[in-house]
Amino acid sequence: DSGVTQTPKHLITATGQRVTLRCSPRSGDLSVYWYQQSLDQGLQFLIQYYNGEERAKGNILERFSAQQFPDLHSELNLSSLELGDSALYFCASSAAGTGNIAYEQYFGPGTRLTVT
Amino acid sequence: AQKITQTQPGMFVQEKEAVTLDCTYDTSDQSYGLFWYKQPSSGEMIFLIYQGSYDEQNATEGRYSLNFQKARKSANLVISASQLGDSAMYFCAMRETSGSRLTFGEGTQLTVNP
Repeated sequence: DSGVTQTPKHLITATGQRVTLRCSPRSGDLSVYWYQQSLDQGLQFLIQYYNGEERAKGNILERFSAQQFPDLHSELNLSSLELGDSALYFCASSAAGTGNIAYEQYFGPGTRLTVT
Repeated sequence: AQKITQTQPGMFVQEKEAVTLDCTYDTSDQSYGLFWYKQPSSGEMIFLIYQGSYDEQNATEGRYSLNFQKARKSANLVISASQLGDSAMYFCAMRETSGSRLTFGEGTQLTVNP
């Protein structure tokens, strides 16, 4: 158990809908990262938050947004869903922000999103 | 831009034997970190081992060791005494000092045969 929790574990929804994925980092970790794992794109970084502020953006679509709350949990919002958004979405946390290469990221169990 | 390449889509090994999973990387940074993660069929990502670019010794964690060859830009994972539970997808990843994100390779599916 990594200490990172994600809910829900599975989500099935229809095209055009909006969903929210939730992540609670390990106790004491200030950084939260979101990754998307799909068959065609592999594991891709989406976005990072550090202590409530956005720190880095990857290949995140405009239809997607995220935030980190004062209690450090984070939510990833996906809207106007398309079939291609079906993927495993991971949240990871680490103690450090940018520039600290030695801190490993601990991954949550992931949320499997299926868009039908 | 940083890039990680894992050229072995699938690998097979007999139980109790050692196996090497290949990883090469490309970066213009002098300071970077290399990571290996294991993803079993259940889906979770499990951190295995870390190697810093300035570390002089190869990293080891139990049955896992990292064969780090900086000049060749390779960071191969060696699993000794393979076990059936080692069957999983293995990802090599890199982090540069310019950011905290991890860049992942395509992964290698390891199958351990009894």
